[in-house]
Amino acid sequence: QSVLTQPPSASGTPGQKVTISCSGSRSNIVRQTANWYQQVPGAAPKLLIYSNNQRPSGVPDRFSGSKSGTSASLAITGLQSEDEADYYCAVWDDSLRGWLFGGGTKLTVL
Amino acid sequence: QVQLVQSGAEVKKPGASVKVSCKASGYTFTSYDINWARQATGRGLEWMGWMNPNSGDTGYAQKFQGRVTMTRDTSISTAYMELSSLRSEDTAVYYCARVPAKGDRFDPWGQGTLVTVSS
Repeated sequence: QSVLTQPPSASGTPGQKVTISCSGSRSNIVRQTANWYQQVPGAAPKLLIYSNNQRPSGVPDRFSGSKSGTSASLAITGLQSEDEADYYCAVWDDSLRGWLFGGGTKLTVL
Repeated sequence: QVQLVQSGAEVKKPGASVKVSCKASGYTFTSYDINWARQATGRGLEWMGWMNPNSGDTGYAQKFQGRVTMTRDTSISTAYMELSSLRSEDTAVYYCARVPAKGDRFDPWGQGTLVTVSS
């Protein structure tokens, strides 16, 4: 069972805004920065957001990240059909001295 | 461009070992950690450990301690992950990824290597 908790599923219609949460604890999200990865079926994960709210070059500004207390969030605005994928949060944990991944959220575009 | 290319799919019997390679290109291999994670079919990502290609230092997730070994050959910019005493639950896609520093980000990822454990 992941120590980082994500909702297993989320959905929205094209053009809508969707938010995915990632709940952790003081030893991970509070003390470290959160990253988000997008994984489409059959492909390797791809970095979407790093350092809580930074976008790598090439990632549309429809994707944004934030952090507050023991939770991090990924927001997707102007939802598009190609956003349908699995999304994972990841944070380094100081107590475990290792990386934690959230359980993943499957996003469906209706 | 920065790229990690992994070795091909493997089929192993229970109790055997598997060694997966991850060849780096487009950057200085010894300047970035390599981390390994795996994903069973239909499941989430599971972190296995890290290796510093410069020093050879490693750190493993507690779950894999004693069964996993991460090494490298700097002459060919290649990292390796060996998992021993394989069981059916180890059937998964194994990924390597570049990480600039502890607590930083996984970017990029290798394409993944499917390891199937079956009698």
